[in-house]
Amino acid sequence: GESVGLHLPTLSVQEGDNSIINCAYSNSASDYFIWYKQESGKGPQFIIDIRSNMDKRQGQRVTVLLNKTVKHLSLQIAATQPGDSAVYFCAENLRGGSQGNLIFGKGTKLSVKP
Amino acid sequence: GAGVSQSPSNKVTEKGKDVELRCDPISGHTALYWYRQRLGQGLEFLIYFQGNSAPDKSGLPSDRFSAERTGESVSTLTIQRTQQEDSAVYLCASSSRGYFPGELFFGEGSRLTVL
Repeated sequence: GESVGLHLPTLSVQEGDNSIINCAYSNSASDYFIWYKQESGKGPQFIIDIRSNMDKRQGQRVTVLLNKTVKHLSLQIAATQPGDSAVYFCAENLRGGSQGNLIFGKGTKLSVKP
Repeated sequence: GAGVSQSPSNKVTEKGKDVELRCDPISGHTALYWYRQRLGQGLEFLIYFQGNSAPDKSGLPSDRFSAERTGESVSTLTIQRTQQEDSAVYLCASSSRGYFPGELFFGEGSRLTVL
């Protein structure tokens, strides 16, 4: 999920495979993290969140993993479907920080091949 | 409606004109955010309102940009003397804040095209 130039990095997966989207966050004091999904022409939508006192959290077909040692967050999507094609953003909450405490990552575009 | 509402959904304007974009947050949400998203790019923070506190304007790119919010209701983002580089989708989001910001609820955005 690292930004490269001005364009979003893209992850292409086959339908039915598992997807892993990565995000490196910036501040070791961040205490809360969120993943958002943005479909074409729409606003971002909440997928799943995790607090810093956890390493893993599971939802329906999605799992978020948090590695505080290396400041890394990942989103795993099981059995990826065409409807999962979207741009995925991670966000970190830094209490007392700027930008309303919520810092968004650059985003990763997920493309699912049928 | 129950969600965040933004208007207009599309705006085409000529360079040098002023534009106003409106955001109706979810009722009861104390926090309101504005972001800019250029085509194929990520979310660029513009401004954040929390209740009656002074807004965080640290993301506004120039003094041509300003935003207001009355209490915990409607917000207006104003861009004066628009330039072509202002063309983007402007997204508004609101949240009910506690210890954690919780889920941000985004509107569908206002797509601005400056000719």
